[in-house]
Amino acid sequence: EDQVTQSPEALRLQEGESSSLNCSYTVSGLRGLFWYRQDPGKGPEFLFTLYSAGEEKEKERLKATLTKKESFLHITAPKPEDSATYLCAVQGGSNYKLTFGKGTLLTVNP
Amino acid sequence: GAGVSQSPSNKVTEKGKDVELRCDPISGHTALYWYRQSLGQGLEFLIYFQGNSAPDKSGLPSDRFSAERTGGSVSTLTIQRTQQEDSAVYLCASSLPSLDAFFGQGTRLTVV
Repeated sequence: EDQVTQSPEALRLQEGESSSLNCSYTVSGLRGLFWYRQDPGKGPEFLFTLYSAGEEKEKERLKATLTKKESFLHITAPKPEDSATYLCAVQGGSNYKLTFGKGTLLTVNP
Repeated sequence: GAGVSQSPSNKVTEKGKDVELRCDPISGHTALYWYRQSLGQGLEFLIYFQGNSAPDKSGLPSDRFSAERTGGSVSTLTIQRTQQEDSAVYLCASSLPSLDAFFGQGTRLTVV
């Protein structure tokens, strides 16, 4: 069974203070690892898909990286508007469902 | 449409009543997912549709839950004889096969 563990559960940063969120996973035959952002009362917003170890993708202040066991979401010089819950999910093998972690609640203080 | 549309956005129902939740996927997307998100919990997989293939119903929590997808487009999730533990946000997502899944805004279901 696919499993995803995200850490930390919550993270408070000062504006401009860079950090990383972790997503550890076990999956049989990774098809893709997905990062989403979720604001309160909204549906998850797609950020990135990573397909193979060594792959990296960037979008504004966010950079996602992937190894065979984990993914990191690096946040460089965050702003208060980056505050949200960040969700990680994997899709593996012949099973098309996405298995999600419980998320990291990021708060960026001005 | 431009994105995944879900209706209603909020639904309050009495325990024991049946409810129907609707999802309009992105045009052209053949894959459709339903997930449930309870307070403080992660997203729980419910059901997956892909084209004309038999749906993956492995996540449905009980036989009170069912879903259908008509014409390969609109999907309806039905919960019969609702219970208080069914209260959650129900999220729908659509994608092309094996590609990025895009979510709707969800339906917040409250069973009183």
